[in-house]
Amino acid sequence: ETAVFQTPNYHVTQVGNEVSFNCKQTLGHDTMYWYKQDSKKLLKIMFSYNNKQLIVNETVPRRFSPQSSDKAHLNLRIKSVEPEDSAVYLCASSPGLGGREQYFGPGTRLTVL
Amino acid sequence: GDSVTQTEGLVTLTEGLPVMLNCTYQTIYSNPFLFWYVHYLNESPRLLLKSSTDNKRTEHQGFHATLHKSSSSFHLQKSSAQLSDSALYYCALTPSGGSNAKLTFGKGTKLSVKS
Repeated sequence: ETAVFQTPNYHVTQVGNEVSFNCKQTLGHDTMYWYKQDSKKLLKIMFSYNNKQLIVNETVPRRFSPQSSDKAHLNLRIKSVEPEDSAVYLCASSPGLGGREQYFGPGTRLTVL
Repeated sequence: GDSVTQTEGLVTLTEGLPVMLNCTYQTIYSNPFLFWYVHYLNESPRLLLKSSTDNKRTEHQGFHATLHKSSSSFHLQKSSAQLSDSALYYCALTPSGGSNAKLTFGKGTKLSVKS
């Protein structure tokens, strides 16, 4: 099956803990993204990688760090979570840049207590 | 920077009535790509429509939209709403080509179709 896969589906943690989310795509794409969808359903890009190179880095707190081992994987680490980090984190991929359709994963719902 | 403005909040329609979700945008780029993504509950967001051609209608799954650069608009329409159209709809923009991979989304419009 070719798609974008994310793990875990859900994660509940406490303030100050570290969390990591994984994303893998089997579509053969060379560009991957992390988006944050907040409680109001606002969808904002956080990071974008093209062939393992960071190309978009929006203004996000430094506790967020993306990690790409190859062009099919893009993970997200949050070093010390805060309550405002509670959201759905969506991973996506596309075949190239600029104007290309993006394919989304199912999301990871993070709840910070 | 780029921005996208959509019909805000919740739109509630009775099945069979026409759907019109507004989308306008601002960008410094002359050839942007405009998209409509649909996000059904418990599914991944997926592309519904896409266009970069001025004044050309694009259609998919009964929905259609036309990019009008003169008014910076890309409204989503459907002639007859179905219950299965209930979902969250996002209008999005990206500059054309080059090294820019950033999609700018509107705030989303929740469409609820009732019988």
